[in-house]
Amino acid sequence: QKEVEQDPGPLSVPEGAIVSLNCTYSNSAFQYFMWYRQYSRKGPELLMYTYSSGNKEDGRFTAQVDKSSKYISLFIRDSQPSDSATYLCAIDAGGTSYGKLTFGQGTILTVHP
Amino acid sequence: EPEVTQTPSHQVTQMGQEVILRCVPISNHLYFYWYRQILGQKVEFLVSFYNNEISEKSEIFDDQFSVERPDGSNFTLKIRSTKLEDSAMYFCASRNREGNQPQHFGDGTRLSIL
Repeated sequence: QKEVEQDPGPLSVPEGAIVSLNCTYSNSAFQYFMWYRQYSRKGPELLMYTYSSGNKEDGRFTAQVDKSSKYISLFIRDSQPSDSATYLCAIDAGGTSYGKLTFGQGTILTVHP
Repeated sequence: EPEVTQTPSHQVTQMGQEVILRCVPISNHLYFYWYRQILGQKVEFLVSFYNNEISEKSEIFDDQFSVERPDGSNFTLKIRSTKLEDSAMYFCASRNREGNQPQHFGDGTRLSIL
């Protein structure tokens, strides 16, 4: 079983739509959860960071963590063409391995005008 | 906003040659990382570095790889004898020492082995 699974898409939505991106993970020791955005030929850019179950909101972005189901989500409200990118979930086990991120495959998102 | 910078953006090297990838982490960060991403595949952890020594390394990070912080600003990844399968994007990341802070990534070096 893969440690972190993410549907690679591609996902295509109209401008203004609500986007839902998801990852599942297998290791219950994972403690810290991140979403990165990656534009073509660029490095991962941190969007959201959380370490507890529940929701965290930042502008149009909401990160949701359900540790009991080992499931994390990123919601994008009022999506814009500039949101078109690859979205990567990344998970950190914490403890002595803190900083060793395990990434999902990435979901390619296109928001069309 | 401070950022992680990596040079060169693209490196082309003959198989068997040594290559050094360079990174300048964010200035007050003390934890440093290298990741790689083979085309079409996941971003993979290579190595973490703190206090002038390796904290953790993956199975990928074999004897051909080494890291160094030669001065107060640079962090380098050396591949001693490159193989075709080393062709990938290599990302450097750093994070602050305070608490459990997330990593910030550079834009990567695209390494092409011929």
